[in-house]
Amino acid sequence: DAKTTQPPSMDCAEGRAANLPCNHSTISGNEYVYWYRQIHSQGPQYIIHGLKNNETNEMASLIITEDRKSSTLILPHATLRDTAVYYCIVRVPYNAGNMLTFGGGTRLMVKP
Amino acid sequence: DGGITQSPKYLFRKEGQNVTLSCEQNLNHDAMYWYRQDPGQGLRLIYYSQIVNDFQKGDIAEGYSVSREKKESFPLTVTSAQKNPTAFYLCASSKPGQGARNEQFFGPGTRLTVL
Repeated sequence: DAKTTQPPSMDCAEGRAANLPCNHSTISGNEYVYWYRQIHSQGPQYIIHGLKNNETNEMASLIITEDRKSSTLILPHATLRDTAVYYCIVRVPYNAGNMLTFGGGTRLMVKP
Repeated sequence: DGGITQSPKYLFRKEGQNVTLSCEQNLNHDAMYWYRQDPGQGLRLIYYSQIVNDFQKGDIAEGYSVSREKKESFPLTVTSAQKNPTAFYLCASSKPGQGARNEQFFGPGTRLTVL
């Protein structure tokens, strides 16, 4: 699975959009981008995934650059409950063991 | 409600003792996983099981053992051979047929402290 690079921490004002970047310059053609988040002392939670097109669901939007070497997770109106560690994961959907490889993630702090 | 349960939430053990962490799911998922998380770090895979009576080592299996006798249950034993067992342990499950989404569902975790 491709390695990802994320900033260790970010702040966002409540009600504003939170834009979380992820660099995955070594991504291969059959690898997807997945985002999970982990609220303090809980298990991670799936947010969204994409291959090359931009994706949107009820939680967030995912913007993937045309060369697929980076992506941005957008929380359009961040709330205090969005404070969490956000993990960007790049992998083939059904790799051996179906493993998720978590890096350090970005700690997002939403402030009032 | 369907979900994954892990018990207990907090567990304390003396050094040198084996301890078993429980993970149960009623989601009818075939695959189950155990991850370990150290403070400020991401998750690392210990063991996984894609079907009953079968399991595979993950990246950090040394000092751990598992069993998968029932689809619903995937207990993890932390043995005395694990040199740094104090950590947050997370269990997850997934099912085939989700396409590329292939979501893993996580339990609430067990925080193990070895004294």
